[in-house]
Amino acid sequence: GNSVTQMEGPVTLSEEAFLTINCTYTATGYPSLFWYVQYPGEGLQLLLKATKADDKGSNKGFEATYRKETTSFHLEKGSVQVSDSAVYFCALSSPDMRFGAGTRLTVKP
Amino acid sequence: EAGVAQSPRYKIIEKRQSVAFWCNPISGHATLYWYQQILGQGPKLLIQFQNNGVVDDSQLPKDRFSAERLKGVDSTLKIQPAKLEDSAVYLCASSPPGTSGRATQYFGPGTRLLVL
Repeated sequence: GNSVTQMEGPVTLSEEAFLTINCTYTATGYPSLFWYVQYPGEGLQLLLKATKADDKGSNKGFEATYRKETTSFHLEKGSVQVSDSAVYFCALSSPDMRFGAGTRLTVKP
Repeated sequence: EAGVAQSPRYKIIEKRQSVAFWCNPISGHATLYWYQQILGQGPKLLIQFQNNGVVDDSQLPKDRFSAERLKGVDSTLKIQPAKLEDSAVYLCASSPPGTSGRATQYFGPGTRLLVL
């Protein structure tokens, strides 16, 4: 069945460090891929998405590229801020939504 | 534009009691989802509605969970009787019409349930 595997956390970085959170997927067909973010005490918010191979999603300095050959959708940001501290979920839709287990990111000043 | 509304935000009950959660999706969104998010895990889909019809309830524990979406707008999710393992955050999400399968889902803040 369809599934998502993402990098286990927690991840702790200093402000302005480079961030990578790995995500790989297993799916039949051509799923859409998503990154959602969950800030403390809030619901999930869409961070970015990509709907076909080689698409790059980007938002708020975060980027992820849909790589069909490696079945990956890794999340990256060049310089993290304290306000980026949250839990990040990779997900796919094909057509039902499947989420990874989440990666908690803590950014220290 | 108002987001997805959920209530209550928190609920504490004892096992074997019943509980109900309410969700009001974004206006005009035809598809509504209920998810269960256990601590440390990603959300798991419980049920999906398209307007007032059920599209997918394959992961809903039907012996104790029920959901309805009368009139195709707001929805309620009920647990009766609750078990300890039902302690989780229950998330409601909605998505616009005409985007089935690749839709961006918009999530509410969730209801945190603790069963003692």
